[in-house]
This record gives sequence, structure tokens and C-alpha cells, in this order.
Amino acid sequence: DTGVSQDPRHKITKRGQNVTFRCDPISEHNRLYWYRQTLGQGPEFLTYFQNEAQLEKSRLLSDRFSAERPKGSFSTLEIQRTEQGDSAMYLCASSGLGSYGYTFGSGTRLTVV
Amino acid sequence: AQKITQTQPGMFVQEKEAVTLDCTYDTSDPSYGLFWYKQPSSGEMIFLIYQGSYDQQNATEGRYSLNFQKARKSANLVISASQLGDSAMYFCAMREGPTNSGYALNFGKGTSLLVTP
Repeated sequence: DTGVSQDPRHKITKRGQNVTFRCDPISEHNRLYWYRQTLGQGPEFLTYFQNEAQLEKSRLLSDRFSAERPKGSFSTLEIQRTEQGDSAMYLCASSGLGSYGYTFGSGTRLTVV
Repeated sequence: AQKITQTQPGMFVQEKEAVTLDCTYDTSDPSYGLFWYKQPSSGEMIFLIYQGSYDQQNATEGRYSLNFQKARKSANLVISASQLGDSAMYFCAMREGPTNSGYALNFGKGTSLLVTP
């Protein structure tokens, strides 16, 4: 197992375009989290899945954002009609039952121009 | 209100010396977990150390130790024998609720540590 994988590592997009990011968690982890991190700040929680169920969404997750985890394995985060304020690092983390740890991926850095 | 407060935006330490990074937290939940992560310039979040609210002893992991003062709601990270490779952002985070709650982590704003030769 190679840990949590995120793709792409970097994405540059024009304002108004849609983007989609992918996260592959550690295979035995049933919980998956998305965070957003802007420059100089700590990660901010966006949403959380347990298996395929989306159990919690932050108020930061506006209606332009949608996340899925269709088979309880990988997850996608889509941002529609991107805005310059969406420029950030998007981090994915996973955790498993009986474990206190959260393993993070290397993140996807989004730049909206 | 901020649940995790890191009051030191930046810290300097000389190589081989020890450094303490401060973290205070706010929760009314009796069960919680406290974490420290390191984030180098490459961006990945590297887990360093964990302290559960019911743990009687301070956590240690190699050169890292967590000075847990429950009554003061503080969870300071101590790095002993600093190395140049320790230069990075350090984040304190808290999970409210028991381990299996699955609740997400709340992060502080971080402390930038620079280790000088």
C-alpha cells in the first residue's frame, strides 16, 4: 500500500471552468476526508465520507462544490464555475476503524487564473 | 471560535537545540485526541505524534514529545536536537469525540519553524 494518492498534483484552470480532483485512500480505510488549505492557513474541513455515505459537509462547501465516493473506495471532488478564491491546496485524508490516525495525501494545488 | 490556537507564527532554533511549539485547544468534550503534523514546502502533511485525552502519560515519538497539560488545555510539541530537515510548518490539530467517532480534525493556523546551522 502506497498511502493516500491524489491526482493531479497541480491544476491551473481559467475562471469559470469546472475541475475535478481524485483521491485514492489507503485501501482498508473506510473514512475519507477532504480539506482545503489556503496560503498561510491550516487545513479547513470540507466534507467526510464513511464508506460511500457522505456524513458531514462544512458550510465552506458551497453549492459549486460536490464530492462523491461512489463505491466506498476512491473519491472525487468537483468544483464548478471556479473562482479565483478557490485557489488553494486541496488535501485528502483517510482513516480506518479502530485507528486514531489520519493519513494525508500530498494534495492537489489548484490555481484559478 | 477557534478550537485550536497556535500563537507563534514563526520560530527560529539553532541546530541541535530543543524547541517548543505552543498549542492550546478548546473543547467541552471529555473525549478528544490531539495531533501534531509537519508540512514541508512540498505540501504533504506528515503525522508526528498523538495524545489521547485519557492518556496518563505524555506521548513521545523519537525526537518529538508532547507536553500535555489537560487543565490548561495545552498540548505543546517539543522537538529535541533540532535538525536542518525539521524546517517546515507545524500544525496542531484536534479530533473531538472518541477515536471511532470518525470526526474530522480541526487545525490551528500553524507555526513556521526555521532551523539554522
